[in-house]
Amino acid sequence: DAKTTQPTSMDCAEGRAANLPCNHSTISGNEYVYWYRQIHSQGPQYIIHGLKNNETNEMASLIITEDRKSSTLILPHATLRDTAVYYCIARTGGKLIFGQGTELSVKP
Amino acid sequence: DGGITQSPKYLFRKEGQNVTLSCEQNLNHDAMYWYRQDPGQGLRLIYYSQIVNDFQKGDIAEGYSVSREKKESFPLTVTSAQKNPTAFYLCASSIDVRRTQETQYFGPGTRLLVL
Repeated sequence: DAKTTQPTSMDCAEGRAANLPCNHSTISGNEYVYWYRQIHSQGPQYIIHGLKNNETNEMASLIITEDRKSSTLILPHATLRDTAVYYCIARTGGKLIFGQGTELSVKP
Repeated sequence: DGGITQSPKYLFRKEGQNVTLSCEQNLNHDAMYWYRQDPGQGLRLIYYSQIVNDFQKGDIAEGYSVSREKKESFPLTVTSAQKNPTAFYLCASSIDVRRTQETQYFGPGTRLLVL
């Protein structure tokens, strides 16, 4: 699985868009980019995943660069309940390899 | 409700004692996983099972054992050989670990503390 790099922490104002970047410069052609989040002391929650095209669901949007070396998770209207650690993972199948993620703090 | 349940929420272990953490899923998933999370860290894979009666070691299997006698259940035993067992333990399941796209669903976790 490709190694991913994320900022350690980010702040976002409530109601504004939260843009969480992830670098995966060694990603291979068949590796998907997955995003999970973990609210304190809970199990991780799946958010979204993609291969080449941008993806959107009810929770978030995923923007993947054309060279696939980086991606951005967008929470369009962040709420206080979006405060969590966000993990970006590149995988082909099988094991998920979690890094330390980005701790997002949404502030009123 | 479909999902993954883990019990207990908190577990205390005495020195030299084996303890077993429960994980049950009613999602009809073939694959199940156990992860360990230390404070401020990401998750690390302990064991995973692709199908009943089969399981594979993950990255940190030493001091742990598992069984998979039923599709719904994947208990984890933390043995006395695990010298630093204090951690948050998470169980997950997915449809089939061999698929290219595979989403894992996680339980609420068990926090293990050593007395």
